[in-house]
Amino acid sequence: DTGVSQNPRHKITKRGQNVTFRCDPISEHNRLYWYRQTLGQGPEFLTYFQNEAQLEKSRLLSDRFSAERPKGSFSTLEIQRTEQGDSAMYLCASSGNNLNQPQHFGDGTRLSIL
Amino acid sequence: ILNVEQSPQSLHVQEGDSTNFTCSFPSSNFYALHWYRWETAKSPEALFVMTLNGDEKKKGRISATLNTKEGYSYLYIKGSQPEDSATYLCAFGNEKLTFGTGTRLTIIP
Repeated sequence: DTGVSQNPRHKITKRGQNVTFRCDPISEHNRLYWYRQTLGQGPEFLTYFQNEAQLEKSRLLSDRFSAERPKGSFSTLEIQRTEQGDSAMYLCASSGNNLNQPQHFGDGTRLSIL
Repeated sequence: ILNVEQSPQSLHVQEGDSTNFTCSFPSSNFYALHWYRWETAKSPEALFVMTLNGDEKKKGRISATLNTKEGYSYLYIKGSQPEDSATYLCAFGNEKLTFGTGTRLTIIP
């Protein structure tokens, strides 16, 4: 059983650069979620997809952030013109249609902006 | 804005002792309450999803209770072991989960 896979595990980049992260959900899951976690805080919701449709987007997600799930399988999260405040752990989770079942998380991508 | 609060923020427990901690959440428009265990350098691991008032769930030495009318859930660990050291997160909601800041548990051998 393969779980949720995220790549890369770590990303270090200079301020102003663009970065893209990838999430491969559990294959039979049609819902995919992105969260961000900063030091001392719990994960914060960013956005989620049902199949290829992006159904909700947090106000935390500025115009510099975009997420896609073009074929309803893997998803990408892109941050343009990164800022120091973007440094965080970016977590992806997936679930099936039964919302009484848990969301299954990947190991996350830790982003550090120099 | 939903407030999910967890207490205590951190806890040190002697190996073999039992412990518990609290998650409080809005009592209106309840859908589900999730508990996760998050060990350093690993992914958050789902422990329980609780949906009904009065629910009690158990997984090995860990159990949880739910009171949706007053807006709280307790997580209990019986006979703590070093491998229980982790951050325990609760989250409220359906698709869009609102997480607390977690309780960091350290078991002292």
